[in-house]
Amino acid sequence: KNEVEQSPQNLTAQEGEFITINCSYSVGISALHWLQQHPGGGIVSLFMLSSGKKKHGRLIATINIQEKHSSLHITASHPRDSAVYICAVASSNYKLTFGKGTLLTVNP
Amino acid sequence: GAGVSQSPRYKVAKRGQDVALRCDPISGHVSLFWYQQALGQGPEFLTYFQNEAQLDKSGLPSDRFFAERPEGSVSTLKIQRTQQEDSAVYLCASSLARGTSSYNEQFFGPGTRLTVL
Repeated sequence: KNEVEQSPQNLTAQEGEFITINCSYSVGISALHWLQQHPGGGIVSLFMLSSGKKKHGRLIATINIQEKHSSLHITASHPRDSAVYICAVASSNYKLTFGKGTLLTVNP
Repeated sequence: GAGVSQSPRYKVAKRGQDVALRCDPISGHVSLFWYQQALGQGPEFLTYFQNEAQLDKSGLPSDRFFAERPEGSVSTLKIQRTQQEDSAVYLCASSLARGTSSYNEQFFGPGTRLTVL
């Protein structure tokens, strides 16, 4: 069983829809990243959080440490949000363990 | 300032060839990481440097993989006698981490896509 599980694996939405991507992990962590990866591109960190909730523009990330669960929400989705979204957890002061990613496609 | 850069961005090698992948971390970043990302998978940890010291190489898949960071800045990941299963995106990341006990945010480069024919 992977230490980091993401769902769904694939998600197709219409422009304007509210999107939620979930991440569950099985180890104790000191921080959790939500990352974005475009095809052929590198990885961009969207959020790093260890508790509560963070918001940046149309993106919101929440984490529940007790339940070992985090969610990434995108409000008013847009085709340019189409990418792979990856959850990664830091179980030590340096090592990241990644989920397999969620491929999001937003259609116009 | 500039982010993490990697070169080349794409590399095609014939099976059996040696390859060298370069990573330039963000200036002043102490820690440097290499990850391997197979197609359709999340990245997996390969190795970690703090300055020039390689503190963790537990993720290197075989002794054909070798990484170095001789002056504590630029790092090179070398793969000897490449095999088809080495085909992947190799990602480099750096962080400011100065030996603290807590996690420091990592900043990722664009990756090098290696294809072994």
